[in-house]
Amino acid sequence: EAAVTQSPRNKVAVTGGKVTLSCNQTNNHNNMYWYRQDTGHGLRLIHYSYGAGSTEKGDIPDGYKASRPSQENFSLILELATPSQTSVYFCASGAPANTEVFFGKGTRLTVV
Amino acid sequence: AQKVTQTQTSISVMEKTTVTMDCVYETQDSSYFLFWYKQTASGEIVFLIRQDSYKKENATVGHYSLNFQKPKSSIGLIITATQIEDSAVYFCAMREGHYGNEKITFGAGTKLTIKP
Repeated sequence: EAAVTQSPRNKVAVTGGKVTLSCNQTNNHNNMYWYRQDTGHGLRLIHYSYGAGSTEKGDIPDGYKASRPSQENFSLILELATPSQTSVYFCASGAPANTEVFFGKGTRLTVV
Repeated sequence: AQKVTQTQTSISVMEKTTVTMDCVYETQDSSYFLFWYKQTASGEIVFLIRQDSYKKENATVGHYSLNFQKPKSSIGLIITATQIEDSAVYFCAMREGHYGNEKITFGAGTKLTIKP
């Protein structure tokens, strides 16, 4: 069973502060993804990566940066957190093409 | 523009009946992959079933099946003999792009409630 671990699971941040959400996968998957989930919007893609050193912009990248320092790790960085970034964030990983992705348990971020 | 659209916000059906959830998508790619995922009450998101765009036969896994209508860019999820534990939010997703560098776009989800 593929394992994707997100940390922290819950985070309260102050407006203007820096936040880093971490994701680790132990399945040697090339592709990794960051989504946010908000009521009425489903899962929206923020950034994704197809291997160590690569990051690509998703559909809503503004206000977020991503980092893929290794095959196993993919981070999402909020340099200047805003209340509008309060959400639940999911990381996922998967092999290319027609295989499914595996999700972490999510990180609930509250920006006050 | 929304590339994966689920118009049904919520559906409620009686246990042991059949339910269909709709999904339409937009893509310029000639080859793509369509998925359905389920999010349980605990928040866990799990894969259910997949359809490859080049396959004409509808995919079936257990009591889940797909109604793939390529000319209409439609991929419906059918659940037969529903059970209480099927109550969840269901997401349709599309994977497109070059091999190894693919985006996966999700719809807004349909909340399914199974009544006893």
